[in-house]
Amino acid sequence: EAQVTQNPRYLITVTGKKLTVTCSQNMNHEYMSWYRQDPGLGLRQIYYSMNVEVTDKGDVPEGYKVSRKEKRNFPLILESPSPNQTSLYFCASTPLPGLKETQYFGPGTRLLVL
Amino acid sequence: GENVEQHPSTLSVQEGDSAVIKCTYSDSASNYFPWYKQELGKRPQLIIDIRSNVGEKKDQRIAVTLNKTAKHFSLHITETQPEDSAVYFCAASRGTSYDKVIFGPGTSLSVIP
Repeated sequence: EAQVTQNPRYLITVTGKKLTVTCSQNMNHEYMSWYRQDPGLGLRQIYYSMNVEVTDKGDVPEGYKVSRKEKRNFPLILESPSPNQTSLYFCASTPLPGLKETQYFGPGTRLLVL
Repeated sequence: GENVEQHPSTLSVQEGDSAVIKCTYSDSASNYFPWYKQELGKRPQLIIDIRSNVGEKKDQRIAVTLNKTAKHFSLHITETQPEDSAVYFCAASRGTSYDKVIFGPGTSLSVIP
């Protein structure tokens, strides 16, 4: 089954404790992206990646890191989480243009930083 | 920076009526405009999209119109049904690839039976 998976789905942590949210897709998509969703602000793009070893900043990259060492994985790293990073996070993937461009979203990760 | 505005933020319609959601974008280089539907507790799902080389696209009860000169695009849902109740997001991006994607803040649509 074609899908995007995220882990963990729920996470409660404390300020300053490094964490990683994993994202994996099994569709051989080139493009992957991370968003955060906050009430009244919609979805804001954090980072995106056009392919392996190619990443770029989205709208709100501060406080986040990503890596794309393999095509299928695109982890989101919070080196020193702060309470303002409490949010719902979505990973998404899509094939390159010219193919079906539906952006497939993962199930979301709800993060609470105390 | 670039932004996408979306109105209204909430919308209630009677079942069977039409619903219209409007978005305005600031980046004149944007040329791909998708719309997403997000039901409560679920992930966003693409429902329709449009490129800047067309002015209108329709898929059953859903249509999207684009006015590139005015930098406006709109989602039209006809014959609304209770299952259309959800939050709808518009988005804009540049180029033929996805690149950076800017989302609107969302519209919460309620269809009253």
